[in-house]
Amino acid sequence: DTAVSQTPKYLVTQMGNDKSIKCEQNLGHDTMYWYKQDSKKFLKIMFSYNNKELIINETVPNRFSPKSPDKAHLNLHINSLELGDSAVYFCASSQTRSGTQYFGPGTRLLVL
Amino acid sequence: DQQVKQNSPSLSVQEGRISILNCDYTNSMFDYFLWYKKYPAEGPTFLISISSIKDKNEDGRFTVFLNKSAKHLSLHIVPSQPGDSAVYFCAARGPNNNDMRFGAGTRLTVKP
Repeated sequence: DTAVSQTPKYLVTQMGNDKSIKCEQNLGHDTMYWYKQDSKKFLKIMFSYNNKELIINETVPNRFSPKSPDKAHLNLHINSLELGDSAVYFCASSQTRSGTQYFGPGTRLLVL
Repeated sequence: DQQVKQNSPSLSVQEGRISILNCDYTNSMFDYFLWYKKYPAEGPTFLISISSIKDKNEDGRFTVFLNKSAKHLSLHIVPSQPGDSAVYFCAARGPNNNDMRFGAGTRLTVKP
């Protein structure tokens, strides 16, 4: 009974493709996030989103866009994939923006 | 611009002994600090946190100490167990519920 789930777990794709990663949380949380863990293992916030506000880390290219069909889902769309997009992407959620964040298992993206 | 630093990439201790993981931060506006634990192929899981109004918080075998003047916090695990072997991330957040900043993690190995 996973609290925060992501699909797919692994994603291998060619440069230039468009791909999506899905995230779902069954915790009833109001806020969801996307993080990127780069090759140096730093976890960096990409987006935080609740039903009122989307906050985008200014360093995130506009090829990345979050889409939230409802409160329990926050999907990540990536257009025109580049080699440097290869990383592990984690989804997370929290009750409020100040609450403890619960993470999904991660999606390992490899761009060839 | 790494505002949260974990200078030791790895730490190895004997089962039953104390593990001490360290974290330094540069932003004096941070007022809430967290430790997350991460096993391979899983997302980070929340372990323990501390508010800047405290200097110590304890939960079972885990204790977090905060030294605001030194901008330093540490996680003590006593006694260490082999199941504690994981990567530990330090994280910090500011008063406006700004996004969390993570350190690069310390890989703890507890030897039986």
